[in-house]
Amino acid sequence: EAGVAQSPRYKIIEKRQSVAFWCNPISGHATLYWYQQILGQGPKLLIQFQNNGVVDDSQLPKDRFSAERLKGVDSTLKIQPAKLEDSAVYLCASSLLRGSTTDTQYFGPGTRLTVL
Amino acid sequence: AQSVTQLGSHVSVSEGALVLLRCNYSSSVPPYLFWYVQYPNQGLQLLLKYTSAATLVKGINGFEAEFKKSETSFHLTKPSAHMSDAAEYFCAVRGDGGFKTIFGAGTRLFVKA
Repeated sequence: EAGVAQSPRYKIIEKRQSVAFWCNPISGHATLYWYQQILGQGPKLLIQFQNNGVVDDSQLPKDRFSAERLKGVDSTLKIQPAKLEDSAVYLCASSLLRGSTTDTQYFGPGTRLTVL
Repeated sequence: AQSVTQLGSHVSVSEGALVLLRCNYSSSVPPYLFWYVQYPNQGLQLLLKYTSAATLVKGINGFEAEFKKSETSFHLTKPSAHMSDAAEYFCAVRGDGGFKTIFGAGTRLFVKA
């Protein structure tokens, strides 16, 4: 079974530029998550999709971050414009079940973003 | 609001020694608790999870964790450390508000030969 795929793996941009990350979840997984992991911290949920609908985006900085999951499969996370404090690893995860508190999340390898 | 505290950002053990990584949680409802491992430049991998069944949970790679409600703890242990266990470990809780998972800050485990 193929895992969660993310691209690119690394990205370096200057502040005020735009950047986009792509995620392809495990086939058949209904729920998709985007996390931000700042160096030295645990992952923080940015947005959670169930199929192509948003379940939770309470911690997404909506003035600069946007995400979509067209057709309930792969997803794109965009930052426009980027700030220095956006430097982090962006992790995508997916899980099989809908609305399960014990469902296992499977993580991709992440995209490491450096904003100069 | 739920939260997770991992005691010790770094833990160093000798190969063959006991591994103990500490995690305390806060939740207003019965929690679901998880331990994840992250190797360099990789995503997180689930080690084990507590889902209100047995309080002693066995996971992969010889790890186990015990849920202690009275102490609000979910410490991770392994009887004998191996060099391949060197990684970062995250404790996480899910419970309040449904499906959001809150992660601790992580503990980096070093294993000395």
